[in-house]
Amino acid sequence: GDSVTQMEGPVTLSEEAFLTINCTYTATGYPSLFWYVQYPGEGLQLLLKATKADDKGSNKGFEATYRKETTSFHLEKGSVQVSDSAVYFCALRDSSASKIIFGSGTRLSIRP
Amino acid sequence: DAGVTQSPTHLIKTRGQQVTLRCSPKSGHDTVSWYQQALGQGPQFIFQYYEEEERQRGNFPDRFSGHQFPNYSSELNVNALLLGDSALYLCASSLRWTGNTEAFFGQGTRLTVV
Repeated sequence: GDSVTQMEGPVTLSEEAFLTINCTYTATGYPSLFWYVQYPGEGLQLLLKATKADDKGSNKGFEATYRKETTSFHLEKGSVQVSDSAVYFCALRDSSASKIIFGSGTRLSIRP
Repeated sequence: DAGVTQSPTHLIKTRGQQVTLRCSPKSGHDTVSWYQQALGQGPQFIFQYYEEEERQRGNFPDRFSGHQFPNYSSELNVNALLLGDSALYLCASSLRWTGNTEAFFGQGTRLTVV
């Protein structure tokens, strides 16, 4: 079945460092891809999305490109802030456009 | 717009008991999905409701059941609670038949089974 594999955490960086969180997926058909963020004690918020190959999703300085040839959707940010500390989930929505399949999450901590 | 609202926010139950969690979807949304997020894990799909019927189900036992009401709100019921049912339960709402629809998540209900 469809699945998502993402970089294990925790990831600890200094403020203004460059961030990459790796994500690869396995899916039949042409899934939509997402990054969600979960701040402590809160639910999930959609960070960015891409719906077809070569699409780039971006939001709040974060970017990810849908790479069909490598089945990847890596999350990047050029300069992280303390406020970016959270758990990040890579996810896909299957071709039936119903359920969302999540990776196990990557905890990101940013040091001032 | 209140977004997706869930109640209660926290709940403690004893093993063997039954629990009901509630979800009100975002205004204008007609589809509700439920997810279980165990500590340190990603959310796992339980089931989805549209037009008051269960449309898709994940790999969860029959102890997990649900309902959707005419106003699109939904309930998740879990019977014969096990310690392993302790988790954050997330509700997501969306528009089923709209292409490329975004799912909006609630804050979740934290269920602890003792």
